[in-house]
Amino acid sequence: GAVVSQHPSWVICKSGTSVKIECRSLDFQATTMFWYRQFPKQSLMLMATSNEGSKATYEQGVEKDKFLINHASLTLSTLTVTSAHPEDSSFYICSAISPAGTNEKLFFGSGTQLSVL
Amino acid sequence: DAKTTQPTSMDCAEGRAANLPCNHSTISGNEYVYWYRQIHSQGPQYIIHGLKNNETNEMASLIITEDRKSSTLILPHATLRDTAVYYCIVRLTGNQFYFGTGTSLTVIP
Repeated sequence: GAVVSQHPSWVICKSGTSVKIECRSLDFQATTMFWYRQFPKQSLMLMATSNEGSKATYEQGVEKDKFLINHASLTLSTLTVTSAHPEDSSFYICSAISPAGTNEKLFFGSGTQLSVL
Repeated sequence: DAKTTQPTSMDCAEGRAANLPCNHSTISGNEYVYWYRQIHSQGPQYIIHGLKNNETNEMASLIITEDRKSSTLILPHATLRDTAVYYCIVRLTGNQFYFGTGTSLTVIP
């Protein structure tokens, strides 16, 4: 299957700082990527849809000014958690669709565990 | 996209077939059924998907009822490494993937 690389795997930061998470599609071009967050023992919650060359679409209740998404190329999307606070501590997972069309599959990165002190 | 209902948890003996059910009674004619699984602290892994016909690949088989209101994921010979949370998702092509609560499968030695 297609490979999606996510970096870093884990990050610890101080409250008030910003953290950037990168998501790359290694062997395919992804016009659409998705960002999820997951709290312990809970399911994945879709945060936003990242579209190459255009603004991201955020799910209801997700603050777009706090979770900045940039999808500047067909193989890279970034999520920046701005002014992070302890309640932002979570497991963040990116994903990309390949190939487009009726045989679409969603491939996931390995996730980033964010801990805000 | 249609909502899915799955049992919260299931056990399966190692080496036996694991049959994971999913109800999607409000599914529309163009919505696909996808299955993913997530092993603890990892990104979900694609297993299989289908529209109307039963599907089989190297990982599993997907059985979709004729009325498409339910489906079953079959892992033919479960191993300890199949212990994971399994998610059934119903989705229109081009739409987002929304995850439900899934089924926590425990394979017992």
